[in-house]
Amino acid sequence: KAGVTQTPRYLIKTRGQQVTLSCSPISGHRSVSWYQQTPGQGLQFLFEYFSETQRNKGNFPGRFSGRQFSNSRSEMNVSTLELGDSALYLCASRLQASGTYEQYFGPGTRLTVT
Amino acid sequence: AQKITQTQPGMFVQEKEAVTLDCTYDTSDPSYGLFWYKQPSSGEMIFLIYQGSYDQQNATEGRYSLNFQKARKSANLVISASQLGDSAMYFCAMSNRTASKLTFGTGTRLQVTL
Repeated sequence: KAGVTQTPRYLIKTRGQQVTLSCSPISGHRSVSWYQQTPGQGLQFLFEYFSETQRNKGNFPGRFSGRQFSNSRSEMNVSTLELGDSALYLCASRLQASGTYEQYFGPGTRLTVT
Repeated sequence: AQKITQTQPGMFVQEKEAVTLDCTYDTSDPSYGLFWYKQPSSGEMIFLIYQGSYDQQNATEGRYSLNFQKARKSANLVISASQLGDSAMYFCAMSNRTASKLTFGTGTRLQVTL
């Protein structure tokens, strides 16, 4: 079974631009979460989507948004990029069934803002 | 709010020896989950082991075991028979009641030496 895939793997953008990152969960997984990892702040939860609905949201500004499609694929958008948005963005999927708690992560998208 | 504390920024262990990575947590939720993830230099977060707050027995997965001491709020990871491939960052994390959000510690960098 294929794991979580994220595209693109690497991205370089300029301040003020916007960016869209994509995540395809493991087949059958309906929950997708996004995390930001930076050297200064560590790993921080952005948001979670389940059945196309945002179920939980972290403490990030409104420039960070996401959505989930009917096939469970998810996209994350960051508008008006700032230098501090440079980070590794990780997506995780979960089966969302009784008794299952493990989140499986993709390889991440490394975003550099110049 | 949930909090994870990992007090060991870096650890060294000789190949074939056992090593314990420390993790303490704080939460007011009666139901929660505890996780350990491994992050090699490639960036992908690899799920290692899970422990539920109501599980009576410590979780084990191959060479990994989680030493869960609820009264002390600790969830240490024990790696037996260390291998060179175990060199990586290790993150302790906990989930909220719905398991939709993970809160991570700052990580421990493990270096396995010959």
